[in-house]
Amino acid sequence: NAGVTQTPKFQVLKTGQSMTLQCAQDMNHNSMYWYRQDPGMGLRLIYYSASEGTTDKGEVPNGYNVSRLNKREFSLRLESAAPSQTSVYFCAGRRGVGEQFFGPGTRLTVL
Amino acid sequence: GQQLNQSPQSMFIQEGEDVSMNCTSSSIFNTWLWYKQEPGEGPVLLIALYKAGELTSNGRLTAQFGITRKDSFLNISASIPSDVGIYFCAGLTIAYGGSQGNLIFGKGTKLSVKP
Repeated sequence: NAGVTQTPKFQVLKTGQSMTLQCAQDMNHNSMYWYRQDPGMGLRLIYYSASEGTTDKGEVPNGYNVSRLNKREFSLRLESAAPSQTSVYFCAGRRGVGEQFFGPGTRLTVL
Repeated sequence: GQQLNQSPQSMFIQEGEDVSMNCTSSSIFNTWLWYKQEPGEGPVLLIALYKAGELTSNGRLTAQFGITRKDSFLNISASIPSDVGIYFCAGLTIAYGGSQGNLIFGKGTKLSVKP
């Protein structure tokens, strides 16, 4: 039982390049989330998916797209990366009323 | 938008000391969660609180859901070196007619423990 897994762990992109961050969970969570974490800013919600087939914007969605491929997988795509998107990205799944369980993160640098 | 004010921002303590940190908001929350994050890792859930006034313990950690629903407190007793990390509070707010709750996170309290 791996919990929430994320790939890749590290990534360096050039401005304008695209990439997809992958997230998978084996905890049977209906809801999944993508956050970014910047120094001194805490965790900010990018997008979430309340259930398979639905996605909604969070606090900071600009420059990102998401896909809830199935119940297990929720991917985050950067179509044209910008230096402002340099951050650590966390995926999470939700159990019960509000408890969220996080993956190990993807550390992204955009040059 | 809703914000959580977490304090202190950082703490430097001696091993064996007790630690207190808190989160406050001008908004009411239905649930309070406390997480710990170690370097290079994702946040790990420590304690979840669901009722105003609730006091919950997890080993040496004790957290309380404030009776006004606008604050929460975390205490760590007899700190040890492995307590080092960043502690985040998170409040759950219900949006979109109550069908989906989204967490709002504080900016964290960085704890350093001197052996």
